[in-house]
Amino acid sequence: GIQVEQSPPDLILQEGANSTLRCNFSDSVNNLQWFHQNPWGQLINLFYIPSGTKQNGRLSATTVATERYSLLYISSSQTTDSGVYFCAVVSGGSNYKLTFGKGTLLTVNP
Amino acid sequence: EAGVTQFPSHSVIEKGQTVTLRCDPISGHDNLYWYRRVMGKEIKFLLHFVKESKQDESGMPNNRFLAERTGGTYSTLKVQPAELEDSGVYFCASSLDRSYNSPLHFGNGTRLTVT
Repeated sequence: GIQVEQSPPDLILQEGANSTLRCNFSDSVNNLQWFHQNPWGQLINLFYIPSGTKQNGRLSATTVATERYSLLYISSSQTTDSGVYFCAVVSGGSNYKLTFGKGTLLTVNP
Repeated sequence: EAGVTQFPSHSVIEKGQTVTLRCDPISGHDNLYWYRRVMGKEIKFLLHFVKESKQDESGMPNNRFLAERTGGTYSTLKVQPAELEDSGVYFCASSLDRSYNSPLHFGNGTRLTVT
């Protein structure tokens, strides 16, 4: 099956700093989503982005499908950004099953 | 519109007991999925319903897990009997179309602790 690798596995920032999270995938994808799991365990959908670039406030994401990677940018980070960020994809072979990466644990300190 | 709703938010049970988790998808979403994250590992697919039919249950770990979606509305996931390794967060998601056409919307999850 498709492999999804996220980097870095852990990231510690000071409030106000910017960061880039990366997601590499091993095959072509039909769907790619970024999620934020907050400290209460809730899984928040950030972006649905199988290709191209999207922005939502301080967050933006870019997927280059031909090169099999996606990037999540967080600018002016806040303590509420802490949590685990997951990348998940649907590959061409299984058009409905999301495969998740292991996540990036982000800690934003005040 | 209301999002995906899961109940309960937390459940603590003893090994050998039974627990039933419930998921109410977004109204009009025919596709309903169950996922789980155990022991801090990655989130894994369990199964997929289209309306009341199971399309794919290849991710169900064993026959102690039973999912139903009677009438194609809400779904339940029963664990009987529960084992220690079943502890984790169980997520339900729904989508309007197959997920390659539309995003999945996840509920807040049910945190299951088996002691």
